[in-house]
Amino acid sequence: IAGITQAPTSQILAAGRRMTLRCTQDMRHNAMYWYRQDLGLGLRLIHYSNTAGTTGKGEVPDGYSVSRANTDDFPLTLASAVPSQTSVYFCASSVEGTGELFFGEGSRLTVL
Amino acid sequence: GQNIDQPTEMTATEGAIVQINCTYQTSGFNGLFWYQQHAGEAPTFLSYNVLDGLEEKGRFSSFLSRSKGYSYLLLKELQMKDSASYLCAVRDSNYQLIWGAGTKLIIKP
Repeated sequence: IAGITQAPTSQILAAGRRMTLRCTQDMRHNAMYWYRQDLGLGLRLIHYSNTAGTTGKGEVPDGYSVSRANTDDFPLTLASAVPSQTSVYFCASSVEGTGELFFGEGSRLTVL
Repeated sequence: GQNIDQPTEMTATEGAIVQINCTYQTSGFNGLFWYQQHAGEAPTFLSYNVLDGLEEKGRFSSFLSRSKGYSYLLLKELQMKDSASYLCAVRDSNYQLIWGAGTKLIIKP
């Protein structure tokens, strides 16, 4: 089934640990995004990539890094997790220039 | 600053009609989007408006007034499965989406 796959689905992490959230898409979309969703707030863009080999910072990039080595994969890394990074993380993709995003099922991360 | 406002929660009855409003103030405008998100699931695309007026898609319609910075999502013949959060998002001058916090819609029998 075509779409976006995120892993892990859920994770509990000790503060200070490094964590990588994986995201893979098979729709050959150029653009990919990482959002976090917190109760009472809208989706907030962490990082994005308009095409393989390029990345950009979103609204809340501090504490996160991304890479885009190829079209399909867009991992998000927390170098040293802090409790404020407890959230649900969504990876998404789109045809570049459109606003119709296709989302993965989300990764629920708890940092203790 | 950029801001998207929508009601936090609304309640409606099965079979009825409900209108979810969204007002926005953004740096530039390149389209307004509505997404549906069921609890514990990913958002899914519902509609897109870039010109003023009404776009109809089955039981769902979306309206846009750019001069007023206003949109609404109209849901007709409500079904229990329509219980979800509805997210309003505006694409700004940098072609980035700015999201509202979402409206939780509760459908009662």
